[in-house]
Amino acid sequence: AQSVTQLDSQVPVFEEAPVELRCNYSSSVSVYLFWYVQYPNQGLQLLLKYLSGSTLVKGINGFEAEFNKSQTSFHLRKPSVHISDTAEYFCAVSDLQGNQFYFGTGTSLTVIP
Amino acid sequence: GAGVSQSPRYKVAKRGQDVALRCDPISGHVSLFWYQQALGQGPEFLTYFQNEAQLDKSGLPSDRFFAERPEGSVSTLKIQRTQQEDSAVYLCASSLFRNTEAFFGQGTRLTVV
Repeated sequence: AQSVTQLDSQVPVFEEAPVELRCNYSSSVSVYLFWYVQYPNQGLQLLLKYLSGSTLVKGINGFEAEFNKSQTSFHLRKPSVHISDTAEYFCAVSDLQGNQFYFGTGTSLTVIP
Repeated sequence: GAGVSQSPRYKVAKRGQDVALRCDPISGHVSLFWYQQALGQGPEFLTYFQNEAQLDKSGLPSDRFFAERPEGSVSTLKIQRTQQEDSAVYLCASSLFRNTEAFFGQGTRLTVV
């Protein structure tokens, strides 16, 4: 089975500052990795995903993440955040069969004007 | 429709009442997932369908929870004799095939009083 740990439950950051949201996973098999964003009272929206190939993955809204197999991490980064980035961010992992997505507990990003 | 649709958006049930939550996946999507998201937590896997076949129900918390997808499209999650700990947002997601992007609905917020 797989599991996901999001180390920071809340991250406040000033507008236009860079941000990194941390995600570590554990698995005995190869995995796919995902970051989802959830705005208030909304469903989850995919930001980006790592399936294979380049370890640096670019997603929507200027976000990117780097897959580090040796450190079993998939941290999410953005060089300059906007007020509209305030939301809950979830890291998720699935096995290669994709029968389940395991989610972390989420990181609440608050962008301060 | 254009996205995954869930109904109702909000449901208040008295303890002991049965409820049925509906999910309309994106047309043509083979895979369908149900998740339970408690307040302040990440989504927890409940069950997975491939077309009409329920391939994994390991996440269903008790035998009061039952899901079906009889014609391989619309799915219903039924909870019998609801209890207060069932209060959560129930999310449905669908994907074209396994391990491709999962699209989430807005969820049904169930409150058991």
